[in-house]
Amino acid sequence: DAKTTQPPSMDCAEGRAANLPCNHSTISGNEYVYWYRQIHSQGPQYIIHGLKNNETNEMASLIITEDRKSSTLILPHATLRDTAVYYCIVRLSEKLVFGKGTKLTVNP
Amino acid sequence: ETGVTQTPRHLVMGMTNKKSLKCEQHLGHNAMYWYKQSAKKPLELMFVYNFKEQTENNSVPSRFSPECPNSSHLFLHLHTLQPEDSALYLCASSHAPRDPYEQYFGPGTRLTVT
Repeated sequence: DAKTTQPPSMDCAEGRAANLPCNHSTISGNEYVYWYRQIHSQGPQYIIHGLKNNETNEMASLIITEDRKSSTLILPHATLRDTAVYYCIVRLSEKLVFGKGTKLTVNP
Repeated sequence: ETGVTQTPRHLVMGMTNKKSLKCEQHLGHNAMYWYKQSAKKPLELMFVYNFKEQTENNSVPSRFSPECPNSSHLFLHLHTLQPEDSALYLCASSHAPRDPYEQYFGPGTRLTVT
């Protein structure tokens, strides 16, 4: 599975957009990009996934660069409840391999 | 509420005890997973079951014994654990484990081994 690189932590003001970057320069053509988040002491929560095209759902938007070597998760209007660790995962097999993720803190 | 429940939510056990963790999913999925999350470490996949058959054992010590009697239930039997096994144990489920799909996680069981 391709490895991903994320900043260890980020801060965002409440009501502003949170843009979380992820580098996956060794991604292969048929590997999907998945984003999960984990609020403190809870199980991870699926957010969104994509292959080549940008994706949007009720939680977030996923922007994948044309060369697919990086992506950005966008939370358009961050709230305090969005404070969590966000994981970017690239996988092909049945295993989801979680890294250390980005600790996003949304400040009032 | 993700449709995946785990019991108990908290468990304290001695090293000589035998206990079991239970996971149940109400989503009609056919794949189930056990993960371990130790303090300040990433989630580690332990076991994968697909249509009740174990398809992945990620070099887990034999003191952890999984059981999947049907696609809706998954157990993790624990015996003679060590203090370093204290962690958050998470269960997840999904449709068949191939892309694209998402895994739905339960709330976890916080295990403390004394």
